[in-house]
Amino acid sequence: EAQVTQNPRYLITVTGKKLTVTCSQNMNHEYMSWYRQDPGLGLRQIYYSMNVEVTDKGDVPEGYKVSRKEKRNFPLILESPSPNQTSLYFCASSVRQNYGYTFGSGTRLTVV
Amino acid sequence: AQSVTQLDSQVPVFEEAPVELRCNYSSSVSVYLFWYVQYPNQGLQLLLKYLSGSTLVKGINGFEAEFNKSQTSFHLRKPSVHISDTAEYFCAVSETGANNLFFGTGTRLTVIP
Repeated sequence: EAQVTQNPRYLITVTGKKLTVTCSQNMNHEYMSWYRQDPGLGLRQIYYSMNVEVTDKGDVPEGYKVSRKEKRNFPLILESPSPNQTSLYFCASSVRQNYGYTFGSGTRLTVV
Repeated sequence: AQSVTQLDSQVPVFEEAPVELRCNYSSSVSVYLFWYVQYPNQGLQLLLKYLSGSTLVKGINGFEAEFNKSQTSFHLRKPSVHISDTAEYFCAVSETGANNLFFGTGTRLTVIP
């Protein structure tokens, strides 16, 4: 089944403790992206990647890092999480830019 | 700057009634337009998209949307809703050649039995 898989689905962590949210897609898509969803703000792009080793900032990149060493994987790294990063995070992939995303099921992160 | 406005944060509608969810965008260049649906505790699913060609776009689950360039709108419609259509709907826009997809703040559609 074609899908984008994120892990974990739920995560509670403490301020400052590094964490990684994994994202993997099995559709051989070149384009991958991370979004965060907050009430009343819709979805905002954190980082995107157009291909292996090609990444760039979205609208809200502060406090996040990403890497794209393999085509299928696009992990999101929070080096020192803070409470304002409490949010619902989505990974998404697309066969090419602007074609329409396939989204993962989301990761609900709480930073206390 | 590019932006997307979904005018209604919540839309209640009775089962089998028609519905229209409104979306307006601001951009001075050509755009691609999308509607996504999010069911509770799930990710977003693409309903339909406009890339070029006919301004009336048909999507899944009986939804359709019409691109109106002069009014910079891309309203989503369904002639007869079902209980299963209860979800949050997001409009999104991307300028052609750009790398970002801008989302609206969403419209929560509640279908009342």
